[in-house]
Amino acid sequence: QVQLQESGPGLVKPAETLSLTCTVSGDSISPYYWSWIRQPPGKGLEWIGYITYTGTTKYNPSLQSRVTMSVDTSKNQISLWLNSVTAADTAVYYCARTPIVSIVPDPWGQGILVSVSS
Amino acid sequence: DIQMTQSPSSLSASVGDRVTITCRASQAIRNDLGWYQQKPGKAPKRLIYAASKLQSGVPSRFSGSGSGTEFTLTISSLQPEDFATYYCLQHNGNPYTFGQGTKLEI
Repeated sequence: QVQLQESGPGLVKPAETLSLTCTVSGDSISPYYWSWIRQPPGKGLEWIGYITYTGTTKYNPSLQSRVTMSVDTSKNQISLWLNSVTAADTAVYYCARTPIVSIVPDPWGQGILVSVSS
Repeated sequence: DIQMTQSPSSLSASVGDRVTITCRASQAIRNDLGWYQQKPGKAPKRLIYAASKLQSGVPSRFSGSGSGTEFTLTISSLQPEDFATYYCLQHNGNPYTFGQGTKLEI
């Protein structure tokens, strides 16, 4: 059974770069897409983007200038970087497996809360 | 961006009730829609994909329908474990967008 685990710093300073890793166990990175989604505390869900197992990306245009994703098939890991963060980027960040056919992400990792504060 | 308007935003119901949640898209999205259930402190769980296909392992009391701009999630007979927040997600346009959520309460 596939499991996803997000990891990274829980606190990032304003203007710095948020960096998260999603480690996949129980399945291979291919042939899936891998999504990042975030949820500010007490609020709704925002799709950040996805990366394919070959490294092709699709980002939310509202974040495109600040976001980068990568995939490491040898480590079964997906990474997210978001630069120039502000308090508005404070959220629980989730990674999720995204089947190529259905495109509706599932399953998701447990999520990691990242706070942006000095 | 394609806006997903979900209604109602909250709903009070009882065990055994039949409930329907609606998502309306600001433009046609074919059947490029999924539904999620989220419980407090947990990640969302996929219930439905392709508007009407039931995720494996999800009880058959959940069903989805619709195409184009109007979609519904129906729970035929509410169970205690169904009280949660529900979201729709469209994946037809970039960015993919979620509805604002429906909190289903006792």
